[in-house]
Amino acid sequence: AQSVTQPDIHITVSEGASLELRCNYSYGATPYLFWYVQSPGQGLQLLLKYFSGDTLVQGIKGFEAEFKTSQSSFNLRKPSVHWSDAAEYFCASSPNAGNNRKLIWGLGTSLAVNP
Amino acid sequence: KAGVTQTPRYLIKTRGQQVTLSCSPISGHRSVSWYQQTPGQGLQFLFEYFSETQRNKGNFPGRFSGRQFSNSRSEMNVSTLELGDSALYLCASSYNDPYEKLFFGSGTQLSVL
Repeated sequence: AQSVTQPDIHITVSEGASLELRCNYSYGATPYLFWYVQSPGQGLQLLLKYFSGDTLVQGIKGFEAEFKTSQSSFNLRKPSVHWSDAAEYFCASSPNAGNNRKLIWGLGTSLAVNP
Repeated sequence: KAGVTQTPRYLIKTRGQQVTLSCSPISGHRSVSWYQQTPGQGLQFLFEYFSETQRNKGNFPGRFSGRQFSNSRSEMNVSTLELGDSALYLCASSYNDPYEKLFFGSGTQLSVL
């Protein structure tokens, strides 16, 4: 069965430091992949998505993610974290074909940013 | 453009009761998806509606149902509430295909006592 794993439940980084949030998916073929962010009291917002093509995807707020089929990973990165990036981050995947495509979500990684 | 609006924001119910949650999508969006979010299970897909038809369904019991109206507004209903139904229920809309970009509402926090 399709699954998404975010190995890190909670991460703390200092403001200005680089960030990498891990995401691994389990699916027989190349899925559609997404990263969403959920800030306190706000709805989830799409950061970036990968459907096909260039494996390095640029998103909003200075985030990027790289799709690595050999590792079944889609890790999210940011070179310099801002205090406003503190939030919950969710990775999600969906099969790229078929009639029963549903988004499968990881459990999320909570990011804290130290001043 | 107004975002996705969910009402009510908070609900407190007792076991055995039923509840109806409402979602107004972004104007022009025809796809509405519902999710249940809990700390232990994360986000779990309930169902998706497109042009008043259920297009996709998750693995939830029949107590969970939904519908979509001709103006794309959607409601979900949970009958015979159980303690385990306590969760944040999120609605998301997209123009056509939920795999392009989902716009989420702030959710309805349901507490079952």
